[in-house]
Amino acid sequence: EAGVAQSPRYKIIEKRQSVAFWCNPISGHATLYWYQQILGQGPKLLIQFQNNGVVDDSQLPKDRFSAERLKGVDSTLKIQPAKLEDSAVYLCASSTREGAYNEQFFGPGTRLTVL
Amino acid sequence: AQSVTQPDIHITVSEGASLELRCNYSYGATPYLFWYVQSPGQGLQLLLKYFSGDTLVQGIKGFEAEFKRSQSSFNLRKPSVHWSDAAEYFCAVATLSYSGNTPLVFGKGTRLSVIA
Repeated sequence: EAGVAQSPRYKIIEKRQSVAFWCNPISGHATLYWYQQILGQGPKLLIQFQNNGVVDDSQLPKDRFSAERLKGVDSTLKIQPAKLEDSAVYLCASSTREGAYNEQFFGPGTRLTVL
Repeated sequence: AQSVTQPDIHITVSEGASLELRCNYSYGATPYLFWYVQSPGQGLQLLLKYFSGDTLVQGIKGFEAEFKRSQSSFNLRKPSVHWSDAAEYFCAVATLSYSGNTPLVFGKGTRLSVIA
């Protein structure tokens, strides 16, 4: 079974530029998460999707961050314009929905450096 | 709101020695508890999880953890550490809501170094 795929793996941009990250979850997983992991900290949720609907985006800085999951499969996270403090690893995770709590499977992440 | 505290930022142990990583959580109901490991440049890998039942749970790579409700703790242990265990370890908590899984709330992590 293929895991969660993310691209690119690394990205370096200058502040005020825009950037986009892509995530393809495990086939059949209805729930998709984007987490931000700043160096020296644990991952923090940015947004949670259930199929193509948003369940929780309370911690997403909506003035600069946006995310979509149009067909309930893959997802894109965008930052526009980027700030220095956006330098982090962006992790995508997916899980099934039915039944008891289901394990989240994480992708390898995209490491963003904002100069 | 849920929160997770990992009081040790960095721990160094000798290869073959025992290991205990501490984790305390704050949550009103019985949470779902997890330990993840992250090697440099890698994604997060689940070591073990506690949902209910036996409070001592076994995981992969020889790790185990014990849930202690009275202490709000979920400490990770390994009897004999291998050099390949050097990594960042994260404790996390979640729950199940009407809409399904809730996101994981992570601690800040404990970096484990292993010396010969």
